[in-house]
Amino acid sequence: DAGVIQSPRHEVTEMGQEVTLRCKPISGHNSLFWYRQTMMRGLELLIYFNNNVPIDDSGMPEDRFSAKMPNASFSTLKIQPSEPRDSAVYFCATQRAGPHTEAFFGQGTRLTVV
Amino acid sequence: DAKTTQPNSMESNEEEPVHLPCNHSTISGTDYIHWYRQLPSQGPEYVIHGLTSNVNNRMASLAIAEDRKSSTLILHRATLRDAAVYYCILRKDWEGAQKLVFGQGTRLTINP
Repeated sequence: DAGVIQSPRHEVTEMGQEVTLRCKPISGHNSLFWYRQTMMRGLELLIYFNNNVPIDDSGMPEDRFSAKMPNASFSTLKIQPSEPRDSAVYFCATQRAGPHTEAFFGQGTRLTVV
Repeated sequence: DAKTTQPNSMESNEEEPVHLPCNHSTISGTDYIHWYRQLPSQGPEYVIHGLTSNVNNRMASLAIAEDRKSSTLILHRATLRDAAVYYCILRKDWEGAQKLVFGQGTRLTINP
């Protein structure tokens, strides 16, 4: 298996533009997490899906952020409009159901908003 | 949600054992103790987890206090590749509540 695949790996965009980050989970994994990492705030959980349904989106910073999981093999995190303070590394992680399973993380998308 | 407390940083020498502590005094009976680590420029990776008994795997050992209010991750023989940020996380055991919430972790430096 290729693991959790995130795209793009790097994104540079201008303030005000829409940004879409993509994640392809490992086949058979039914839980998916989106995280944001910055030096100041560390790793923050943004949203968590179970069986394609959002379970907890309390970490989504504001209405400019939205996430979808239209099927078991694809998820997107969208920022519209983007702002310089959104610059961070965004990670997607997936796992099988159950408390004894490990989460697998993608390589992350480094977003820079100028 | 129960919280964990870890030292900000630790330092050790190559080929020596490393003991990384974690305090979780408000842990509940349904919380599993998970450890992840994040190598430079990579996403976090799973290390080990346990509930009450000590656990061993190829990467590390996890020693859990009898009252479960603290635990220790043990790297038996550290290598330079073990330099990373180590996160101790409490995780519920029921589906729909298994989110992974990361604290600040312990930055481990390994000296050659």
